[in-house]
Amino acid sequence: GQQLNQSPQSMFIQEGEDVSMNCTSSSIFNTWLWYKQDPGEGPVLLIALYKAGELTSNGRLTAQFGITRKDSFLNISASIPSDVGIYFCAGRGLSFGAGTTVTVRA
Amino acid sequence: DGGITQSPKYLFRKEGQNVTLSCEQNLNHDAMYWYRQDPGQGLRLIYYSQIVNDFQKGDIAEGYSVSREKKESFPLTVTSAQKNPTAFYLCASSIGGRWEKLFFGSGTQLSVL
Repeated sequence: GQQLNQSPQSMFIQEGEDVSMNCTSSSIFNTWLWYKQDPGEGPVLLIALYKAGELTSNGRLTAQFGITRKDSFLNISASIPSDVGIYFCAGRGLSFGAGTTVTVRA
Repeated sequence: DGGITQSPKYLFRKEGQNVTLSCEQNLNHDAMYWYRQDPGQGLRLIYYSQIVNDFQKGDIAEGYSVSREKKESFPLTVTSAQKNPTAFYLCASSIGGRWEKLFFGSGTQLSVL
């Protein structure tokens, strides 16, 4: 599969903070997908993007399809404890990034 | 309710043993997939099937085998040839082909005794 690079690899959040993560690829994608995985469970689709420049929201989550079609961004506004988990980006449905692990800062 | 069911949730394999992981979906999806997840890593594709009686190797198919005799079922066998089988295995399905969004099962954790 294609190589997708996610950053940061991990992050700590404080309740109420806005956080951002991104995903880049060396290849152009026509679709970007963002998933969240809770411990011991399968990933769940959060947002799907189909057009360069597209900005889509799902509650407190906002994702953007980069203009170059080689990157995508996910923002979480006003973090809450249940936002912890691993966030994966995916392109073409079969290429996944290594994930960004979100943990609550004590 | 429609969904994807993976069983068992936890599975142990002895040396030299083949084990089979079950995946059943009642979403009427055409395509099904198997992924392997290791700690701190992304999902790696093992096999996928877009129609009944047909399947293709993914990036890490060696040591694994699959069958797709029914639309609803896509079992994965971890053979004794897979020397490092300990991982979290995820089954997924989608309405269309490989570019479509995936619906995942809750996974099977396989460990070696």
